[in-house]
Amino acid sequence: DGGITQSPKYLFRKEGQNVTLSCEQNLNHDAMYWYRQDPGQGLRLIYYSQIVNDFQKGDIAEGYSVSREKKESFPLTVTSAQKNPTAFYLCASSIVGHHTYEQYFGPGTRLTVT
Amino acid sequence: KNQVEQSPQSLIILEGKNCTLQCNYTVSPFSNLRWYKQDTGRGPVSLTIMTFSENTKSNGRYTATLDADTKQSSLHITASQLSDSASYICVVSAGGSQGNLIFGKGTKLSVKP
Repeated sequence: DGGITQSPKYLFRKEGQNVTLSCEQNLNHDAMYWYRQDPGQGLRLIYYSQIVNDFQKGDIAEGYSVSREKKESFPLTVTSAQKNPTAFYLCASSIVGHHTYEQYFGPGTRLTVT
Repeated sequence: KNQVEQSPQSLIILEGKNCTLQCNYTVSPFSNLRWYKQDTGRGPVSLTIMTFSENTKSNGRYTATLDADTKQSSLHITASQLSDSASYICVVSAGGSQGNLIFGKGTKLSVKP
């Protein structure tokens, strides 16, 4: 089955702890993205990567970090510096280069920090 | 400022009825417009992608229209089913970098039996 997987589906952490969200894709896509979704808000871009070992900040990168060591994987770390980390996190992937590139989304991880 | 506004915020219809969701955007430059369906607690799934030159595009019972002059789009759902209950998100691409998508807040549709 081709697609994007995110794990875990639900994640609970104590305030002050870093936490890493997993995102894997087997679609052979070069580009990968992380979004945050809050109730009543549109998706907001955290980071994206167009190629291995390279990534760019999105609109709300503060308090987050990413790595792209493999084409298939784009993990997101929510650090203790993120002021309001509780949210639904979505990973996506796409091809690079065509202006109508479609983004395919994973099932999401709901992070709750108390 | 690039913005995508959707209306209504929420909508309740009876099974079998039709409905139309609206999307107005102020995004420049414009590359394409997408509609996504997002079930509660799941990732969005693409319904349609339209470029500047496309006025209408269908995907089964979903038909999207685009008026690039007035910067408006609509998503029409025909003969609604219970499984159509979801949030529908309008997304506009400003082109350029891969990360340049502007997301609307979505319309939450509930289809009742």
